Amino acid sequence: AQSVAQPEDQVNVAEGNPLTVKCTYSVSGNPYLFWYVQYPNRGLQFLLKYITGDNLVKGSYGFEAEFNKSQTSFHLKKPSALVSDSALYFCAVRDKGLDSSYKLIFGSGTRLLVRP
Amino acid sequence: DAGVTQSPTHLIKTRGQQVTLRCSPKSGHDTVSWYQQALGQGPQFIFQYYEEEERQRGNFPDRFSGHQFPNYSSELNVNALLLGDSALYLCASSLRTVGNTIYFGEGSWLTVV
Repeated sequence: AQSVAQPEDQVNVAEGNPLTVKCTYSVSGNPYLFWYVQYPNRGLQFLLKYITGDNLVKGSYGFEAEFNKSQTSFHLKKPSALVSDSALYFCAVRDKGLDSSYKLIFGSGTRLLVRP
Repeated sequence: DAGVTQSPTHLIKTRGQQVTLRCSPKSGHDTVSWYQQALGQGPQFIFQYYEEEERQRGNFPDRFSGHQFPNYSSELNVNALLLGDSALYLCASSLRTVGNTIYFGEGSWLTVV
């Protein structure tokens, strides 16, 4: 079964410093991986995805993620954090159904707190 | 271009009642999925609709049912509400093609009292 794990419940970083939010995956076959962000009392916003190709994926709001097959990781990164980046971040993996439909399986989420 | 829209945004129901949540997918999308997000947890897949049929279902009881209309919009129905059904219900839309991004709406907050 496909799964993702986010080992950190919370990440704290000072504004202007680089940030990393960790995600590891377990899949059969090629992984399709996603990052979403959720601001308080809001839905999920798509940040970026890895399907194939370059291991460094660039996304919205200056975020990027590094796919590492040997370490089965897909960590979210940003060179310089902003206070407005404070939110809940979810890593997800695509799980394919029998009839080619697919759903997302989410990690438990990591709360990012950027202090001024 | 409107994104995924959901209604209502908030509602309160009593145990044993029934609720219907509505979703309009992003323009051009043909597949609608529903997810339940309990407080402090990641979203859990409920089911997916494509061509007006349920294509895949997560580990949810039959009290959860849905429908997709010819214009691709969708409804989620929950019968015999339990306190544990209190959650944020997220609608997601996409194109069926593998690899396409799944976009989410703002969600419907359901509180069961």
